[in-house]
Amino acid sequence: GDSVTQMEGPVTLSEEAFLTINCTYTATGYPSLFWYVQYPGEGLQLLLKATKADDKGSNKGFEATYRKETTSFHLEKGSVQVSDSAVYFCALSQGLTGANSKLTFGKGITLSVRP
Amino acid sequence: DTGVSQNPRHKITKRGQNVTFRCDPISEHNRLYWYRQTLGQGPEFLTYFQNEAQLEKSRLLSDRFSAERPKGSFSTLEIQRTEQGDSAMYLCASSLGDRGEYNEQFFGPGTRLTVL
Repeated sequence: GDSVTQMEGPVTLSEEAFLTINCTYTATGYPSLFWYVQYPGEGLQLLLKATKADDKGSNKGFEATYRKETTSFHLEKGSVQVSDSAVYFCALSQGLTGANSKLTFGKGITLSVRP
Repeated sequence: DTGVSQNPRHKITKRGQNVTFRCDPISEHNRLYWYRQTLGQGPEFLTYFQNEAQLEKSRLLSDRFSAERPKGSFSTLEIQRTEQGDSAMYLCASSLGDRGEYNEQFFGPGTRLTVL
């Protein structure tokens, strides 16, 4: 079945450091790919998405490019802030419609940014 | 607040008892999903509703679990004869229906179940 693998955490960075969080996937066909974020005390929120190969999703300074050749969707940010401290989940879905829209998540990784 | 709401937020129960959780989706959303998240893991899909119809159930959803969505509005998830392995965060998400384009799932805050 489909699966998502995220790099092991946690990750601790200083403010303004460069961030990369690795994500690879195993899936049939052409899934859509997502990054979700969970801030302390809050529910999961969609951070960005890409629905086809070579698409780049971006939001709040974060970016991720859908690389079908390497089955990857790595999350990057050029300069992290303390407010980026959260748990980040990579996820996929097999389709936009019906039950195919269910999400398959990775384990998540905790990012802590120190001032 | 017009987001997804879940009640209760926390539930502690003894092994063997039944529990029921409620999810109120965003009002115009006709899709509703239940996920389960255990410590250190990402959410895992449990079941999916399109309006009042339950269209898919994961193999994770044993026959002790039942979900309903009467009238296509709120949904309930019941666990009968709870076991310690049922301890987890139960998440509900909702989205708009099929429009041939991506429909973002909006997640509720979850119900944390602890089975003693």
